[in-house]
Amino acid sequence: ETGVTQTPRHLVMGMTNKKSLKCEQHLGHNAMYWYKQSAKKPLELMFVYSLEERVENNSVPSRFSPECPNSSHLFLHLHTLQPEDSALYLCASSQEIAVASSYEQYFGPGTRLTVT
Amino acid sequence: QKEVEQNSGPLSVPEGAIASLNCTYSDRGSQSFFWYRQYSGKSPELIMSIYSNGDKEDGRFTAQLNKASQYVSLLIRDSQPSDSATYLCAVKPLYAGGTSYGKLTFGQGTILTVHP
Repeated sequence: ETGVTQTPRHLVMGMTNKKSLKCEQHLGHNAMYWYKQSAKKPLELMFVYSLEERVENNSVPSRFSPECPNSSHLFLHLHTLQPEDSALYLCASSQEIAVASSYEQYFGPGTRLTVT
Repeated sequence: QKEVEQNSGPLSVPEGAIASLNCTYSDRGSQSFFWYRQYSGKSPELIMSIYSNGDKEDGRFTAQLNKASQYVSLLIRDSQPSDSATYLCAVKPLYAGGTSYGKLTFGQGTILTVHP
């Protein structure tokens, strides 16, 4: 596979469930990101990882827990979510995070999450 | 004031016309600017990046940057119905001592409709 892949593509979960979203990038990039996209709102950055180290947590509630075991994989663990957490969750990667010319981010297809 | 502002549209242009998409940003120290295209139900796709003042052309697309006016635009020449999508402007703030250096700030997007 090429580019950035995400699984599952669709997820329906109850508020008491625990689930995980998975992202894998095949681009040899060093940085990975989680974004949330809700209807009628701009893309919201949630987390940034550089070389498996979390470098930004954009005031995200603790019911979202990221994990980056290596530079190619990124997970988002979900537990006790609220209906307002229903959104499209997008993973992205970039070559680096601090060099302007290497900052272009490439997105995966996203996971459409519905919390019931 | 929003950090990145775009007219949400919809912007409707006839096939073959030039579509002009505009974006303003508030952080005067911003260094890198990106245009993404997002089809309905799909993830954002990077189409242009620009780092210095002036114009940058790539096929039918031209990005224009004016840092003094804090303004970036995207022109689409010979618009096609397949260009109908939401266009997202994204801005990277100045890398400053390790804070927010992973962050791209997105505008809300402009919906473009190209009608035959």
